[in-house]
Amino acid sequence: DAKTTQPPSMDCAEGRAANLPCNHSTISGNEYVYWYRQIHSQGPQYIIHGLKNNETNEMASLIITEDRKSSTLILPHATLRDTAVYYCIVRVRGRETSGSRLTFGEGTQLTVNP
Amino acid sequence: EADIYQTPRYLVIGTGKKITLECSQTMGHDKMYWYQQDPGMELHLIHYSYGVNSTEKGDLSSESTVSRIRTEHFPLTLESARPSHTSQYLCASSTRGGDEKLFFGSGTQLSVL
Repeated sequence: DAKTTQPPSMDCAEGRAANLPCNHSTISGNEYVYWYRQIHSQGPQYIIHGLKNNETNEMASLIITEDRKSSTLILPHATLRDTAVYYCIVRVRGRETSGSRLTFGEGTQLTVNP
Repeated sequence: EADIYQTPRYLVIGTGKKITLECSQTMGHDKMYWYQQDPGMELHLIHYSYGVNSTEKGDLSSESTVSRIRTEHFPLTLESARPSHTSQYLCASSTRGGDEKLFFGSGTQLSVL
């Protein structure tokens, strides 16, 4: 699976959009981009995933560049409860044999300030 | 809302004791996982299972063992706890078919004195 690079930390003002970048320059054509987040001391929570089209759900939007080498997770109106570590993961969907080894990496610590 | 439960939430125990961390899910998921995470550090996969009577070692070597006798239950056991086992243990599950939407429990924070 392709490796991802994320900034170690970011700050965002409450009510503003939080844009979290992720580089995955070695991504291959059948690899999806997944985002999870982990609020302090809790288990990670799935946010969104996509292949090449932009995706949106009730939690966030995922923007993937045309060359698929990078993506951005957008939290449109960040709240204090969005303070968490955000993980960008690249993974071949359907790869049963490798046991869903989702490698979470170090992620980005997003701090939403009042 | 995910229905995956871990007990206990916190466990403080002495060296040499045998412990079992419980994990149960009511979603009928075939795939279950155990991750280990130290404070401020990455999650590491230590065990996984594709279904009943299926268990595999993960990426990080662990002295713990797991069993999968029922679909909904995936306990983790340490035969003789040591201070080096102090960590947070997170259980997760997902459906078969490669959809990587993992659902995590709240974790067990283990402290071995």
